[in-house]
Amino acid sequence: DIQLTQSPTSLSASVGDRVTITCRAGQTISTYLNWYQHKPGTAPKLLIYAASSLQSGVPSRFSGSGSGTDFTLTIRSLQPEDFATYYCQQSYRTPWTFGQGTKVEI
Amino acid sequence: HVQLQESGPGLVKPSETLSLTCTVSGGSIRSYYWSWIRQPAGKGLEWVGHIFTSGSTEYNPSLEGRVTVSLDTPKNQFYLNLGSVTAADTAVYYCATIFVTTGKPSFDIWGPGTVVTVSS
Repeated sequence: DIQLTQSPTSLSASVGDRVTITCRAGQTISTYLNWYQHKPGTAPKLLIYAASSLQSGVPSRFSGSGSGTDFTLTIRSLQPEDFATYYCQQSYRTPWTFGQGTKVEI
Repeated sequence: HVQLQESGPGLVKPSETLSLTCTVSGGSIRSYYWSWIRQPAGKGLEWVGHIFTSGSTEYNPSLEGRVTVSLDTPKNQFYLNLGSVTAADTAVYYCATIFVTTGKPSFDIWGPGTVVTVSS
């Protein structure tokens, strides 16, 4: 299985902060990397697909970058509604796997 | 606009089979690929398996042959069956569409999730 390691596992930030979350794959996965936002009691939401493409309807303050084994999700100016857990996920090879999550707290 | 809704028993006894339904509205089940994902309490997300419109399937090997995903085109529904369940299968189960662009899949639209508890 392809292991994805996110860092940090949690972070505290304030509204307006720039937040960066990294995801490292255990082997090269090209740009087969997606990012999701998950709030308790709701369905996860696709933010970024194919490493850097912004999903329709997602605010432009979210961006993704990277290829190979190292990837980054950046939130340019954190908003109150962005406090959630963020997951990376690879679809390069089955079993498709997720990172362990990064909880963004106030 | 496609929407998904999971349904099924919230409580399953150990060693029995967990059966869930995902009902698709706002679109045809023939037009997409379909997946199940779960999240045990306090843990991360785990891909369970998926089915393509051709009927071909792929499953997470960690489920050791206990899992089957199928679809019913006339009913616009797809299904998850997980046999010989244990407490480790207690989780929130999500159904989701698979969006493929430039050959790269992602989980595009998710249902709200359904809680399944395995307990006697």
